Amino acid sequence: SAVISQKPSRDICQRGTSLTIQCQVDSQVTMMFWYRQQPGQSLTLIATANQGSEATYESGFVIDKFPISRPNLTFSTLTVSNMSPEDSSIYLCSVEDQGGGYTFGSGTRLTVV
Amino acid sequence: GENVEQHPSTLSVQEGDSAVIKCTYSDSASNYFPWYKQELGKGPQLIIDIRSNVGEKKDQRIAVTLNKTAKHFSLHITETQPEDSAVYFCAAKAGGTSYGKLTFGQGTILTVHP
Repeated sequence: SAVISQKPSRDICQRGTSLTIQCQVDSQVTMMFWYRQQPGQSLTLIATANQGSEATYESGFVIDKFPISRPNLTFSTLTVSNMSPEDSSIYLCSVEDQGGGYTFGSGTRLTVV
Repeated sequence: GENVEQHPSTLSVQEGDSAVIKCTYSDSASNYFPWYKQELGKGPQLIIDIRSNVGEKKDQRIAVTLNKTAKHFSLHITETQPEDSAVYFCAAKAGGTSYGKLTFGQGTILTVHP
């Protein structure tokens, strides 16, 4: 399965600022996924990022708040913009493996104060 | 869209006992059903998965069963050990126009007492 490196692993940010999370994969993948996991909750898909095209956002998530870049087949970034305490969550990237399974990064634990 | 329900939300067992977690899904086009284990401070780790053309799959102490007609699938852990304590999530992969998206259940906190 793919190996994902996600950075930063955690951060504490001031409200009103932005944080960019990076996701690096050790192999080329078509689709990369970004999830949010609020404290004590399940995973919710934010958007799907395909290389060379705009990301597709799920209901309740918008590009202005969560802009995504996908410059090549092994890398993607998610930015959490104009943060508020409600954005405090774990953010996870995921890819679909060649075998059809899905691998997750270790996550970015974000606290907004 | 797909909706996945997971039960129970918490499960407490004695070491050596079996644990069963159940999920139901709503979209009959879903065709892939993974189970993830998430330990504190870590990302979800795939522990077993099953596809819609298979009814049961086993890997050592872990097994998954799928009933497509009833649209439910279950995780079975036998001979539980304290290191099995974690949060477990089921998921379903959508088919059709939502292809590729995973929808997760609410999670089950499993505690195995020594």
